[in-house]
Amino acid sequence: DGGITQSPKYLFRKEGQNVTLSCEQNLNHDAMYWYRQDPGQGLRLIYYSQIVNDFQKGDIAEGYSVSREKKESFPLTVTSAQKNPTAFYLCASRPFNQPQHFGDGTRLSIL
Amino acid sequence: DAKTTQPTSMDCAEGRAANLPCNHSTISGNEYVYWYRQIHSQGPQYIIHGLKNNETNEMASLIITEDRKSSTLILPHATLRDTAVYYCIVSSAPETSGSRLTFGEGTQLTVNP
Repeated sequence: DGGITQSPKYLFRKEGQNVTLSCEQNLNHDAMYWYRQDPGQGLRLIYYSQIVNDFQKGDIAEGYSVSREKKESFPLTVTSAQKNPTAFYLCASRPFNQPQHFGDGTRLSIL
Repeated sequence: DAKTTQPTSMDCAEGRAANLPCNHSTISGNEYVYWYRQIHSQGPQYIIHGLKNNETNEMASLIITEDRKSSTLILPHATLRDTAVYYCIVSSAPETSGSRLTFGEGTQLTVNP
């Protein structure tokens, strides 16, 4: 089946550790996005990428890093510099002329 | 991107039409209106988008006023599974380079039996 796959669904991290969230899509979409959602709030854009080997910062990029080495993959690393990493992380993708579609998210918690 | 204003919450009886309003008085001429919804603990689901004409698909209808300063999302026969947070977003056209979505807090729609 085609779709956007985020893994794992739940992730736990010890303070001071980096952690990488996976986002894979087999839809041949050009653009991919990472959002963060805190309880009771809307989504906020972290990073986005329109083509392979290129990405731009969103509104809250500090403490995060990304790579786009393959069209189908856009992993997000939450670094130890992110002071409040506990959140629901959502990945989205879209083809050139269509709206974004989202994965089911990864919930990150600090132990 | 233009800012949107939505009611915090709304209720609707099952089987009746749900009409969700959105104000976007600062929308610019080339900006679209998008609607997404999010069921608890899931990723947002795309519903519909439009520029100035009314739009309809299998999920909903989008009515945009002539001055484009407000719009209404209509779910014609709401079911319990339509209970979700609904987001109205104003942004550039999907094919625009760098097109991005800015989410507010949305409207919590509760469909009651």
